[in-house]
Amino acid sequence: AQKITQTQPGMFVQEKEAVTLDCTYDTSDPSYGLFWYKQPSSGEMIFLIYQGSYDQQNATEGRYSLNFQKARKSANLVISASQLGDSAMYFCAMRDLTTSGTYKYIFGTGTRLKVLA
Amino acid sequence: NAGVTQTPKFQVLKTGQSMTLQCAQDMNHEYMSWYRQDPGMGLRLIHYSVGAGITDQGEVPNGYNVSRSTTEDFPLRLLSAAPSQTSVYFCASSYRGQRTDTQYFGPGTRLTVL
Repeated sequence: AQKITQTQPGMFVQEKEAVTLDCTYDTSDPSYGLFWYKQPSSGEMIFLIYQGSYDQQNATEGRYSLNFQKARKSANLVISASQLGDSAMYFCAMRDLTTSGTYKYIFGTGTRLKVLA
Repeated sequence: NAGVTQTPKFQVLKTGQSMTLQCAQDMNHEYMSWYRQDPGMGLRLIHYSVGAGITDQGEVPNGYNVSRSTTEDFPLRLLSAAPSQTSVYFCASSYRGQRTDTQYFGPGTRLTVL
């Protein structure tokens, strides 16, 4: 069954340092997409970065990069030069094929990141 | 564009009451979905729709009904509210729900069932 696993319930990082948030996934579909979302304390869901299963290079968006290791089925989010505003909950998600041929999204349980001044 | 809008933002119900959570998007997205978010459980898919007139169940559909009569609107109905349905509900949409499409989320509805 399709599954997303985030094993770090909480993380701390010092301001201006880099941090890696772990995400592993399980799917039998060769074509899938992986996403990371940020949820600040205000509650909205903010899209950060996307990685396709056939993409040859790791995705990057500003200070966010995705360390995609297909053989290990991992899609870790790397945040460089952490800022206080990065303190939030982070969700890893996967878009996967359903038995009816459509797509649905599966989310992990999230990692709460706290950036320390 | 307003993006994805949800109403109400907050709602308190008594056990057994029914209500409809509204969701609308103005981006002409075909794919829409409803999630509930509970502490420690991430977001769980309730129902989704790949276009007007087409809906399907997600991971936790029991106690909820949906319909999609227009591309823009995707309401979620609670038939007989239970305390277990206390949660934050998010509506989301994307262009086609295909591999490369990003979901855009509404601001959420915080529902409490007493």
